[in-house]
Amino acid sequence: EVQLVGSGGGLVQPGSSLRLSCAASGFTFDDYAMHWVRQAPGKGLEWVSGISWNSGSIGYADSVKGRFTISRDNAKNSLYLHMNSLRAEDTAFYYCAKDSRGTVAGTKGFDYWGQGTLVTVSS
Amino acid sequence: DIQMTQSPSSLSASVGDRVTITCRASQSISTYLNWYQQKPGKAPKLLMYTASSLQSGVPSRFSGSGSGTDFTLTISSLQPEDFATYFCQQSYTTPYTFGQGTKLDIK
Repeated sequence: EVQLVGSGGGLVQPGSSLRLSCAASGFTFDDYAMHWVRQAPGKGLEWVSGISWNSGSIGYADSVKGRFTISRDNAKNSLYLHMNSLRAEDTAFYYCAKDSRGTVAGTKGFDYWGQGTLVTVSS
Repeated sequence: DIQMTQSPSSLSASVGDRVTITCRASQSISTYLNWYQQKPGKAPKLLMYTASSLQSGVPSRFSGSGSGTDFTLTISSLQPEDFATYFCQQSYTTPYTFGQGTKLDIK
């Protein structure tokens, strides 16, 4: 059974940093691209970042470019999102999601999602 | 960035109804269009990929069509478990933008 378990969320002040983690199991992690998607409470979905199977291809939403860094450790079956200079508008549930392919480009959808971890940025 | 616009934003329907949700892209995306279903407090679930391919395990009452800029998701006969919010997503190019969502509730 595919499982994606996100962790690392919490309440932080504007300008601070946070690292989200996603532990994957039930599939061959290093065969697939992975993504982070966020959703502000009561709002729609926003793709944040994606990383290919070998970390060779990475993409970011303009809203987080230069502040967030996606990475993965295939030996640990884990995906990460390093978030710096956090703003109030970054407040959201952050979902890790498995791509149906190994590359970020030309995805055929995100076929498994984690449960979401809440990041709240507030003073 | 490619903008995705769904219509309607909300829809009331009854069990057994046939419903159609549309999604329009601000530029051609070929068939790089995916549909997700989300229930309250849950993660999204992939329903359709590349516009018309049914994800494994998804009931056949769901179908999708379209290419270029205009796409539709159709549920042929609504079941109680189908009342949820539906999102389209373009996967033609990053950033992979989503539509704003269509909330389907019980009439």
